[in-house]
Amino acid sequence: AAGVIQSPRHLIKEKRETATLKCYPIPRHDTVYWYQQGPGQDPQFLISFYEKMQSDKGSIPDRFSAQQFSDYHSELNMSSLELGDSALYFCASSRTSGGARETQYFGPGTRLLVL
Amino acid sequence: KQEVTQIPAALSVPEGENLVLNCSFTDSAIYNLQWFRQDPGKGLTSLLLIQSSQREQTSGRLNASLDKSSGRSTLYIAASQPGDSATYLCAVRGRETSGSRLTFGEGTQLTVNP
Repeated sequence: AAGVIQSPRHLIKEKRETATLKCYPIPRHDTVYWYQQGPGQDPQFLISFYEKMQSDKGSIPDRFSAQQFSDYHSELNMSSLELGDSALYFCASSRTSGGARETQYFGPGTRLLVL
Repeated sequence: KQEVTQIPAALSVPEGENLVLNCSFTDSAIYNLQWFRQDPGKGLTSLLLIQSSQREQTSGRLNASLDKSSGRSTLYIAASQPGDSATYLCAVRGRETSGSRLTFGEGTQLTVNP
């Protein structure tokens, strides 16, 4: 079965640079979620999109932005990177059925290292 | 704001033992609760999902229970094996009206010694 695809899997950037993470949801899934997991920490919800509109917002810094495109893939844009942005970034997707969002399926994550 | 706590933070057991991991949450108005496994530096593998209307779910040697009114869930692992060594994360999903985000606990790091 198709899973959530994230690219790149690993990314190294310098401070103050910009990074773009991509997420391709499972086919026919209409909702995408982004989570950030710092070293030794639990995943923290950043933001989600449903049918290309922002549906929920968590602890996403103002330096980050995200969007969902017409093909339902999503991109997380991170600017003015800081050392503290080094983390594992997960994307998850779900399908809406009967007005309710079903189980979230997680991608393998993108490991970002900011030097 | 939903808060999820997992106890213990770390657990080391000999192979073959049955063990219980605990998860508690502060807001009982949840949609469902999910247990994940995470190997070091790896992604999240969903183990069990319990809907708010359910009391338990079973998959192989794993059994998860949910007591929504008291804000608690337990993950029971029978006959533990060294391959079970990983971090186990509990996550709750809020009602649709409060968004579908998952709120995670900090995890229990399990080591099963051969």
